[in-house]
Amino acid sequence: DQQVKQNSPSLSVQEGRISILNCDYTNSMFDYFLWYKKYPAEGPTFLISISSIKDKNEDGRFTVFLNKSAKHLSLHIVPSQPGDSAVYFCAASARRGAQKLVFGQGTRLTINP
Amino acid sequence: GAVVSQHPSWVICKSGTSVKIECRSLDFQATTMFWYRQFPKQSLMLMATSNEGSKATYEQGVEKDKFLINHASLTLSTLTVTSAHPEDSSFYICSARSATGGANEKLFFGSGTQLSVL
Repeated sequence: DQQVKQNSPSLSVQEGRISILNCDYTNSMFDYFLWYKKYPAEGPTFLISISSIKDKNEDGRFTVFLNKSAKHLSLHIVPSQPGDSAVYFCAASARRGAQKLVFGQGTRLTINP
Repeated sequence: GAVVSQHPSWVICKSGTSVKIECRSLDFQATTMFWYRQFPKQSLMLMATSNEGSKATYEQGVEKDKFLINHASLTLSTLTVTSAHPEDSSFYICSARSATGGANEKLFFGSGTQLSVL
């Protein structure tokens, strides 16, 4: 049972344009969501998070949107840069400090010059 | 950010042998470490949670006698895959939570270990 789904295994975007990565979840108990970025041969690193009490959180070029009714979140990167090319994982937990994170399958983002 | 070192980065072993994977927090103390497994085209799946000085807590469906976890110090956790079989071939990755941070933003990952069992 895949509770967190990233249905696009890959995404290709031109440099300077907006990248939109999507994530859906099924468990209504999830109320804290995170995005991680992973380069080859490295571990995932935290990128941005959002609590269910918000519908948007912004950090520089990165914005995460949460639609609780649709159980959907998205990560927007604008403008996209070549260094953004990586695999992006969304993850969910029942609360901010919860031990257990449930991850999506990841989306490989490629930024083309 | 904090550094978590995981070794080896890849290992090939014969069926029936045991493999040990180490996860070290290099510049912080980790009271809790997590072990994940990722099969191709699937998500990172939590296998177990280990707290320093106590027994690991395994997720449903994970055999604790097959995947031995030791967290003997605040900077080191090990995962031993005992009597490995080809179906254990997977990507294993650890993460560590800082002793001073309770949020998942303070979760730092190792670079992972690709295990191939022949």
